[in-house]
Order: sequence, then C-alpha cells, then structure tokens
Amino acid sequence: GQQLNQSPQSMFIQEGEDVSMNCTSSSIFNTWLWYKQEPGEGPVLLIALYKAGELTSNGRLTAQFGITRKDSFLNISASIPSDVGIYFCAGVYSGAGSYQLTFGKGTKLSVIP
Amino acid sequence: KAGVTQTPRYLIKTRGQQVTLSCSPISGHRSVSWYQQTPGQGLQFLFEYFSETQRNKGNFPGRFSGRQFSNSRSEMNVSTLELGDSALYLCASRAVGGNEQFFGPGTRLTVL
Repeated sequence: GQQLNQSPQSMFIQEGEDVSMNCTSSSIFNTWLWYKQEPGEGPVLLIALYKAGELTSNGRLTAQFGITRKDSFLNISASIPSDVGIYFCAGVYSGAGSYQLTFGKGTKLSVIP
Repeated sequence: KAGVTQTPRYLIKTRGQQVTLSCSPISGHRSVSWYQQTPGQGLQFLFEYFSETQRNKGNFPGRFSGRQFSNSRSEMNVSTLELGDSALYLCASRAVGGNEQFFGPGTRLTVL
C-alpha cells in the first residue's frame, strides 16, 4: 500500500523560531492535507493543497505541494507556545468515485518559551 | 455550521464486552470514515461509509463493524473487546466530491 514518510518525528524549538517539516511518498497524490492535533482532541485541518507546485498560507503557516506530486512541506514561522501539538500530513488519491487517504506518522512539535 | 460530533467522548469497558460509538457528520456531508489512533500505530483506517454503504475497509478483524443511517449519522461497533482495542477512535466526514476530511474530537476507549 501507499506509505508516507514524515520527518522529523519530533522537534524541540525555541519560541520565535521557524519550523519546517515534510512528507514524501513513493506514490503520487492529487491532494495534500495538513492537520494539527492537540492532546485528547481530533486532528484539525490546517491547509489543503490541490495542485502540483501550489503554495498556500494560513497565517504563520505555509505549505507547498511538491511538483512531483510525491511530497509536501509545512513551514511555521515565528513559533509560539500554542503551536505545540502533533502535525500530520495526509495524501489523498481520488478519482472515478474512489478515495484513498494516507496519513504520515506525525511530527511532534514542542516549543520552549 | 456545526462540526463533526462524536459520542461518548470517554468510555471504559472490560475485556469481552462490546461497545458502540456514534458519529454525526457535518451537515450535508454524506461520507463518514472511522480511524483508530494509538501511540504505536498512528492513525489507522477502519472503514468508510457513503449513503449507507460501506465503500472501503481497512485491515481490521471482523470484530470491528459499522453502519450508516439515512441521515448520514454513523455508528461503529467493536465486539469481544481486547486490551489492544484501547485507543482514540476518530470519525471524519467529507462532502460529496470533496477531498478534505474533517475530524471529530474522538472517543477515548479504555479496555480493562
């Protein structure tokens, strides 16, 4: 089956620093989704990317859909304590009535005030 | 628009019992998917329902089952609970033709 490699697995950063994480796959996707999950809660959708090469921002978050359609990255600028959580990438392959979503294993972000 | 809701939020059961979890999707969404999340295995897909029909199934034993009602609400059932079934069970809904899945807060199941 499809596999997503998400890295890094965890990060400890100082408040104010920028953060970068990425996902790579051996398969192509036609949508990339980025989620954030806080303890005891479900994942919250942060950004959706639909086209190869697309660069999308949501506040301090920026994500890009790789041109090969096999990778995506998420950047967080000027991190703050409330950015703490686990960030998941998810690749979607859909078409002809089918839909398959594959998750990465997550990047755990810790922000040191 | 209200988000995905799941009930109950927390559940404690003993081995051998069965459990039913409920999910109400975002209004207008007809696809509902269920996931099991554990620290060791991450997010694992259980099944997807669309218009009361199971469209996709993950690699879980037959003890895990689900259904969807005509109002798109969905339930999942786990029979003969095992200790390893302790997990956060997440429900997600999706609009027809949409690729974005929206998750509920989850049900934390603890099996003793």
